[in-house]
Amino acid sequence: AQSVSQHNHHVILSEAASLELGCNYSYGGTVNLFWYVQYPGQHLQLLLKYFSGDPLVKGIKGFEAEFIKSKFSFNLRKPSVQWSDTAEYFCAVSLTTDSWGKLQFGAGTQVVVTP
Amino acid sequence: EAQVTQNPRYLITVTGKKLTVTCSQNMNHEYMSWYRQDPGLGLRQIYYSMNVEVTDKGDVPEGYKVSRKEKRNFPLILESPSPNQTSLYFCASSLKGQGYTEAFFGQGTRLTVV
Repeated sequence: AQSVSQHNHHVILSEAASLELGCNYSYGGTVNLFWYVQYPGQHLQLLLKYFSGDPLVKGIKGFEAEFIKSKFSFNLRKPSVQWSDTAEYFCAVSLTTDSWGKLQFGAGTQVVVTP
Repeated sequence: EAQVTQNPRYLITVTGKKLTVTCSQNMNHEYMSWYRQDPGLGLRQIYYSMNVEVTDKGDVPEGYKVSRKEKRNFPLILESPSPNQTSLYFCASSLKGQGYTEAFFGQGTRLTVV
């Protein structure tokens, strides 16, 4: 069955620390990949997306993600986090052969950044 | 301002009492969908719509209905709510299928069924 796995459910780190969130998928075809962020009490917003081309994708707020096809992974990174990065982060995947483009979300990773 | 508006934001209701959560977008998007968000499960799609009068089931459609009579509106209907439908609900819209472009989400509706 197709699935999206996020390795950590909760991450706590201090300001200025580096962040890396893992995302793996089990799809047997070409995929589009997304990271969405949900700040406390707010709606989901797109951080970045990968469709094709350079596997290192830069998004908003200093985030980047790397697509490693051989590992079926799309990990999110930020070199130095701020308190305002406290949020829940969702990885999402879709199959390019799906005409609707249905998104499959991971379970999410709650990130808490302490001052 | 481009936005997806859901109402109400919070709702407490009793088992079996029909309710509707409204969703409206002002971006002239053709694609709209409903998700529910539960701890440890992420977002799961309930229903989606590719255009007016075109709707289809997502992953967890049981107990829900939708309609798409106008492009901008996509209400979610719970005919007979049950406690297992207590959840956080999000409406989303997009220019193309949500696996091909950015999806814009509403603020969410936190529903409690007692």
